[in-house]
Amino acid sequence: GENVEQHPSTLSVQEGDSAVIKCTYSDSASNYFPWYKQELGKRPQLIIDIRSNVGEKKDQRIAVTLNKTAKHFSLHITETQPEDSAVYFCAASSPNYGGSQGNLIFGKGTKLSVKP
Amino acid sequence: EPEVTQTPSHQVTQMGQEVILRCVPISNHLYFYWYRQILGQKVEFLVSFYNNEISEKSEIFDDQFSVERPDGSNFTLKIRSTKLEDSAMYFCASRFVSEGEQYFGPGTRLTVT
Repeated sequence: GENVEQHPSTLSVQEGDSAVIKCTYSDSASNYFPWYKQELGKRPQLIIDIRSNVGEKKDQRIAVTLNKTAKHFSLHITETQPEDSAVYFCAASSPNYGGSQGNLIFGKGTKLSVKP
Repeated sequence: EPEVTQTPSHQVTQMGQEVILRCVPISNHLYFYWYRQILGQKVEFLVSFYNNEISEKSEIFDDQFSVERPDGSNFTLKIRSTKLEDSAMYFCASRFVSEGEQYFGPGTRLTVT
């Protein structure tokens, strides 16, 4: 089955700096890669996602890149702000037997701290 | 904006007891999921449900677990005989189309003593 590795486990940056979180996946059939932000005690919330037919996607200060050959994808946050502090999870999903998108396999998470 | 809701927010139970965790997915969604997150660890997939049947399940989802959609709105997870290691946050999620964002509920924190 799919296995997702995520690094680093913790990341501390100064406000205004960039943050990069990297994930690798094992199943070459995986075709959907979302990133979730989880604040303490709250539900995971989708911040950006990318499909395997796209190499890069950007939404304001957040971008995700995907390298299908190397089976890795990364989250880039520019101009970080204290409110970006949270745990970020990457995930991968491959089609199920019915052909629709299957369940999400999550990485272990990265605790991002943005210092003012 | 519609949200997935879950009840209760916190459930404390004794080892060996049965618990039922309840979820109300977003009304027009068709795909339903349960995940769990042990404190400080990653989110783990338990089971997915579509067209009134289980479509996928993980190794965690053994005979002690079952899911049901008893009516048009609720989606439940039952644990027949809870163990200490079942203590975790349980998240329900739902999705509308076969490819799209999974929306997570706020979670139920299950504590087994």
